[in-house]
Amino acid sequence: EIVLTQSPGTLSLSPGERATLSCRTSQSISSSHLAWYQVKPGQAPRLLIYGTSNRATGISDRFSGSGSGTDFTLTISRLEPEDLAVYYCQQYGRSPRIFTFGPGTKVEI
Amino acid sequence: EVQLVESGGGLVQPGGSLSLSCAASGFTFKNYDMHWVRQVPGKGLEWLSSIATAGDTYSPASTQGRFSISRDNARNSLFLHLTNLEVGDTAVYYCARGSVVARPFSYDHYYYMDVWGKGTAVVVSS
Repeated sequence: EIVLTQSPGTLSLSPGERATLSCRTSQSISSSHLAWYQVKPGQAPRLLIYGTSNRATGISDRFSGSGSGTDFTLTISRLEPEDLAVYYCQQYGRSPRIFTFGPGTKVEI
Repeated sequence: EVQLVESGGGLVQPGGSLSLSCAASGFTFKNYDMHWVRQVPGKGLEWLSSIATAGDTYSPASTQGRFSISRDNARNSLFLHLTNLEVGDTAVYYCARGSVVARPFSYDHYYYMDVWGKGTAVVVSS
């Protein structure tokens, strides 16, 4: 079973700064199978990035994803107060079919 | 508008059962895999179960035998039947639409959950 590790656990930054969130998988995965979600307080999750680097519909270009193998990164450039949220990476495994979420990184503005 | 609306949550005693529903609208339901995900208060997201367009299901070992997913394409509805509930099952339960999209110039596919409902709260308590 693939385990996802996210770091840091909490990231405290100021508006306008750049946030770099890390997601590491215990085994190499296809970059097609890595997604990022944003969960704001009291709200449902929202898809940000799929396939490591593809922004979902309507997502600001301040959000970008990169990585391969076991190391993946979500970058939020020019932080805004509305970016206060917990960010989760997720991987899909084909055999067996399984979705796994990372523990999340909380971004404080 | 593409929308998912969960219902059926509530208060249930330990050992009890509950059935959750998810009503889909604004898209061709039968063409999408569907998923259930929950968030225990103060904890992260946890994948619970999935059902593909062909009706085959898959889920983590932690929910097999207690949680059962099903769908009714004629009613554009997704269901999750929860049994033998424990206090630790107290959470907000979300349904999500799954997209499987061919990656350009590759035999691989993208897999992700692109539409989410607002969730329904389940409280397991005596």
